[in-house]
Amino acid sequence: AQSVTQLDSQVPVFEEAPVELRCNYSSSVSVYLFWYVQYPNQGLQLLLKYLSGSTLVKGINGFEAEFNKSQTSFHLRKPSVHISDTAEYFCAVRGPTGANNLFFGTGTRLTVIP
Amino acid sequence: SQTIHQWPATLVQPVGSPLSLECTVEGTSNPNLYWYRQAAGRGLQLLFYSVGIGQISSEVPQNLSASRPQDRQFILSSKKLLLSDSGFYLCAWSPQMNTEAFFGQGTRLTVV
Repeated sequence: AQSVTQLDSQVPVFEEAPVELRCNYSSSVSVYLFWYVQYPNQGLQLLLKYLSGSTLVKGINGFEAEFNKSQTSFHLRKPSVHISDTAEYFCAVRGPTGANNLFFGTGTRLTVIP
Repeated sequence: SQTIHQWPATLVQPVGSPLSLECTVEGTSNPNLYWYRQAAGRGLQLLFYSVGIGQISSEVPQNLSASRPQDRQFILSSKKLLLSDSGFYLCAWSPQMNTEAFFGQGTRLTVV
């Protein structure tokens, strides 16, 4: 079975500074990887996804993530954050088969400080 | 394009009262459907999923049930709410090929 670890529960960062949110997964099979963002009292919005191909994936709002198979990581990065990026970010992993195999990390609260 | 609707957005219910949360998907057919619960400060817990009409799988034993009366309709129910049922409930769908999931706006349920 797959599992996801988000090492940082909270990440404070100053506006216009770079940020990296860490995600590690465990799986014995090939997986699909996702990052979602959640603003207060809203649902989850897909930021980006890795299904196959290039290991560097670009998403919405200037975010990108890199799939590293050897380190089983899928870290999310943004070179310059804005106040509006303050939100909860979830990493998720899905195995290639089965409808109930989408697993989420516990989330990272990104707070952008003006 | 596909859209997912979930209602109500907020709900305050007394202990012991029934519950019905509804979710509908537009613009796709035969989606996989999901109900998640998000407790404060925690991640997402999968409650139910469905791969077709009338096909419901439960991930955790609980006070809740789910039904899928139509292809793109997913309902979360309870006969008698408990205080511990409070939380943020999210409906989601994914295509049959099981790639990404798309979420509704969520329902904030407070049981008092």
